[in-house]
Amino acid sequence: DAKTTQPPSMDCAEGRAANLPCNHSTISGNEYVYWYRQIHSQGPQYIIHGLKNNETNEMASLIITEDRKSSTLILPHATLRDTAVYYCIVKKDSSASKIIFGSGTRLSIRP
Amino acid sequence: GAGVSQSPRYKVAKRGQDVALRCDPISGHVSLFWYQQALGQGPEFLTYFQNEAQLDKSGLPSDRFFAERPEGSVSTLKIQRTQQEDSAVYLCASSLDDSWHEQFFGPGTRLTVL
Repeated sequence: DAKTTQPPSMDCAEGRAANLPCNHSTISGNEYVYWYRQIHSQGPQYIIHGLKNNETNEMASLIITEDRKSSTLILPHATLRDTAVYYCIVKKDSSASKIIFGSGTRLSIRP
Repeated sequence: GAGVSQSPRYKVAKRGQDVALRCDPISGHVSLFWYQQALGQGPEFLTYFQNEAQLDKSGLPSDRFFAERPEGSVSTLKIQRTQQEDSAVYLCASSLDDSWHEQFFGPGTRLTVL
């Protein structure tokens, strides 16, 4: 599975949009981009995934560049409960394949 | 509905003791994963089951680690002769089947080896 690069930490004001970048320049054609987050003392939680097109759900939006070498997770109106470590992951289709987590981005939301 | 549950939530063991960690996946989920998370790091894959079959155990760090899922539902991760470096959070995740994208994680078991 391709490797990802994320900034180690970011902060964002409550109520503003949080934009979390991820580079995955070696992604291959059959690999999806996934985002998970891990709130302190909890297990990771799935957020969203995509292949080529931008995706949106009730939690976030995922913007993938046309060349698929980078992506951005957008939390449109960040709240204090969004404080967590966010992991950008690329892996092949299907959940039968293991998730390779990197170090993630520690997002802090300030009041 | 009920999510993935793990027990115990916390375990303290003396070096050399054997421990058993339990995972109850979401009912009906075919796929089950174990991950190990050291302090300050991301989770690392240990092993994967599809029903009762252990299809990938490439992440198990040594032969002291053993996992089973005999009836295709509950799984147990056993660590023999625990060492201090085994101290970590052990996470279990399940998924509906191998074509489903999302893995659902339990809260983890924090193991401390003294």
